[in-house]
Amino acid sequence: ETGVTQSPTHLIKTRGQQVTLRCSSQSGHNTVSWYQQALGQGPQFIFQYYREEENGRGNFPPRFSGLQFPNYSSELNVNALELDDSALYLCASSFGEANYGYTFGSGTRLTVV
Amino acid sequence: GENVEQHPSTLSVQEGDSAVIKCTYSDSASNYFPWYKQELGKGPQLIIDIRSNVGEKKDQRIAVTLNKTAKHFSLHITETQPEDSAVYFCAVWGFSGGSYIPTFGRGTSLIVHP
Repeated sequence: ETGVTQSPTHLIKTRGQQVTLRCSSQSGHNTVSWYQQALGQGPQFIFQYYREEENGRGNFPPRFSGLQFPNYSSELNVNALELDDSALYLCASSFGEANYGYTFGSGTRLTVV
Repeated sequence: GENVEQHPSTLSVQEGDSAVIKCTYSDSASNYFPWYKQELGKGPQLIIDIRSNVGEKKDQRIAVTLNKTAKHFSLHITETQPEDSAVYFCAVWGFSGGSYIPTFGRGTSLIVHP
């Protein structure tokens, strides 16, 4: 059984640009959620998808958007990047709508300059 | 929204000692309380969790206790080993906007000295 894989592992972008991060969920999982983890902080919930529908969202602006595909992989898109968007972005997958029992990926380190 | 406080922020112990990390939360409707371990360069790993209808759960050297009345829960690690050194996060699943969504604590850096 494969775990959660994220790509790319590191990324540098310029303020104002757009970025797409990718996540492949663990085999058998149908729920994906995304988190932003600033240095020295706990993960902050961005949103989650269950069977291709968004079913929960944290306190993030609309320029953070996402998709879940029929194979349950997912994308996180961030438009109009700001310096404060620099963080580790984590994807997690689980089975079921309630999204308990996460398996996390190792994350994408995004630096905005 | 949910407010989660985690203490202490840093915990230093000698190998073989016990370690206790505590989290408090604000929403009495919260129903799921997991603990995660995060090592350098890796994503968080679920180590133990507890539901709101259970007061205590144990898995070998790790245990979690939940006090719903006081709205706090704690992670207990006994017989600590150097490989337990990592950052530990608590999380609380609370109901918001029609879904249960998680709020994480700010983390505790556990250092186990050989």
